[in-house]
Amino acid sequence: QAVLTQPPSVAGAPGQSVTISCTGSSSNIGAGYDVHWYQQLPGTAPKLLIFANSNRPSGVPDRFSGSKSGASASLAIAGLQAEDEADYYCLSYDGGWGALWVFGGGTKLTVL
Amino acid sequence: QVTLRESGPALVKPTQTLTLTCSFSGFSLTTFGMSVSWIRQPPGKALEWLALISWDDDKYYRTSLKARLTISKDTSKNQVVLTMTNMEPADTATYYCARHPTRSHVDYWGQGTLVTVSS
Repeated sequence: QAVLTQPPSVAGAPGQSVTISCTGSSSNIGAGYDVHWYQQLPGTAPKLLIFANSNRPSGVPDRFSGSKSGASASLAIAGLQAEDEADYYCLSYDGGWGALWVFGGGTKLTVL
Repeated sequence: QVTLRESGPALVKPTQTLTLTCSFSGFSLTTFGMSVSWIRQPPGKALEWLALISWDDDKYYRTSLKARLTISKDTSKNQVVLTMTNMEPADTATYYCARHPTRSHVDYWGQGTLVTVSS
């Protein structure tokens, strides 16, 4: 079971917006550690989408945005496109005993 | 251009030891703050962080697997090696190596290598 909690799936029609949540605890997100987001297209390695809560690497469209509040974070995708259909994972540092870095369980985005 | 590539056996038998090599280019593991992690993903499941080695040779392991994992680096070859002992079918997964450019997120990933544990 993943340390960070994400909804298993979200869906939206082309052009619509969706939000994916990532909920942690006092040993990770709630402790002030940053949240990072990754997109994993089928059969490929994850790709960095958002780092340090709300920063986009070069080349990532501004349709993708991130935010963080308390022990939770969110990834918002505006103007959905067919190619956005993928799995999305959040990642955070964890100061607890289990693992240095913890992932969310992943969210499958379906573009209807 | 930063690249990472994993190599190792595609099939191992239960109880055997797995050795994976991450060969990278475009950066040096002697650079201050740089580190490399191993992360795995069982088929159809989520990502799971396993181990990290830093530029100054600090090593960190997933607590539940610590007794079975060893991570090491060879800076002259630009390689990071992960060994996992006593492999079992539940260890079947795609194994990725990935770079942390600072004491922060992963920015680059290897393509991954699928390891199947079966007799």
